[in-house]
Amino acid sequence: DIQMTQSPSSLSASVGDRVTITCQASQDISNYLNWYQQKPGKAPKLLIYDASNLETGVPSRFSGSGSGTDFTFTISSLQPEDIATYYCQQYDNLPPSTITFGQGTRLEIK
Amino acid sequence: QLQLQESGPGLVKPSETLSLTCTVSGGSISSSSYYWGWIRQPPGKGLEWIGSIYYSGSTYYNPSLKSRVTISVDTSKNQFSLKLSSVTAADTAVYYCARLDYEEVALDYWGQGTLVTVSS
Repeated sequence: DIQMTQSPSSLSASVGDRVTITCQASQDISNYLNWYQQKPGKAPKLLIYDASNLETGVPSRFSGSGSGTDFTFTISSLQPEDIATYYCQQYDNLPPSTITFGQGTRLEIK
Repeated sequence: QLQLQESGPGLVKPSETLSLTCTVSGGSISSSSYYWGWIRQPPGKGLEWIGSIYYSGSTYYNPSLKSRVTISVDTSKNQFSLKLSSVTAADTAVYYCARLDYEEVALDYWGQGTLVTVSS
């Protein structure tokens, strides 16, 4: 099974800061990596698919990069409404027979 | 606008079977472009994929839950369902249904989630 290691588990930053979250896969997953935002009491929301593609309607301050085993999610300028928990998610092939989420990163305002 | 809505009992006794249904509106569950999935989240914890189904009935399950999970689809009602047998307190969670876009291979629409508590 492919394991996903997401870090950090929590993060405190100021409005306007650049924020980076990483996700590492235990083996090569090509670009089969998505990122979600979850606000308290709400369902997750898709932000980035296939490692670097911005979902329609998502602000451009969100971005993703990486391939193989190492992936990065970035918020270029943190806004108050970005306070949430962020998850990476990988799938193994097409169609996806296994889906695994990272442990999550809780983002707070400093 | 596509909407997904989970329904089912909020309280299940230990050793019994948890049953939930997801009703899809604003779109067809029979589209060849999508899979449909269940994901759960224990209180205060992270997300866990349970399994996915295609409108034809093809299923994929999380290996750690496979022996207890059945996901089915009813295209006539535009619904898909989850059954989880032999539940314990560890199965207490918010259960979400979601659409898995085949092209993006991402969960792009989610239900609001429903809390299921396992307790006697």
